[in-house]
Amino acid sequence: AAGVIQSPRHLIKEKRETATLKCYPIPRHDTVYWYQQGPGQDPQFLISFYEKMQSDKGSIPDRFSAQQFSDYHSELNMSSLELGDSALYFCASREGYNEQFFGPGTRLTVL
Amino acid sequence: DQQVKQNSPSLSVQEGRISILNCDYTNSMFDYFLWYKKYPAEGPTFLISISSIKDKNEDGRFTVFLNKSAKHLSLHIVPSQPGDSAVYFCAAILNRDDKIIFGKGTRLHILP
Repeated sequence: AAGVIQSPRHLIKEKRETATLKCYPIPRHDTVYWYQQGPGQDPQFLISFYEKMQSDKGSIPDRFSAQQFSDYHSELNMSSLELGDSALYFCASREGYNEQFFGPGTRLTVL
Repeated sequence: DQQVKQNSPSLSVQEGRISILNCDYTNSMFDYFLWYKKYPAEGPTFLISISSIKDKNEDGRFTVFLNKSAKHLSLHIVPSQPGDSAVYFCAAILNRDDKIIFGKGTRLHILP
């Protein structure tokens, strides 16, 4: 069965650089969620989209933005990267009121 | 403020025995509770869920118990198998279409 795809799987950036993370939800899933998991921390909700519109917003810094495109894939754009942005970034997708299915994550390291 | 709490960072259980993972929550408005399992280098995988109107849900070797008065839920795995070694996240949502609020996770080690 198709799963949530995230790219890249690993990303290394310097401070103040920009990063773009991509998420391709499971086919027919109309809702996408982004979570950030810092070292030793629980995943924290960042932002979600339903039918290409932002549906909820969590603890997402102003330096980050995201959008969902017409093919339902989503991109998380991160600018002016800081050391504290180093984390695992998970994308999850959902169809209707079913459970969220998570992708493998993108590990971002900011040097 | 942690709304979903897993107070045991790790747990070791003998293979074949019962594993019991505990979770407490503070928000009585949570409508739905979930358990996710996570292996290294993979995303969380949905394991089992329970609605707030139920007190038990069973799926094969996995059973989740909910005690609303105590704001406590637990995941029972019986019998425990080596492949069960992973990090288990307790999670809750307010509505079925809502974001997930995770606990910090419990690392389960199944001993041979």
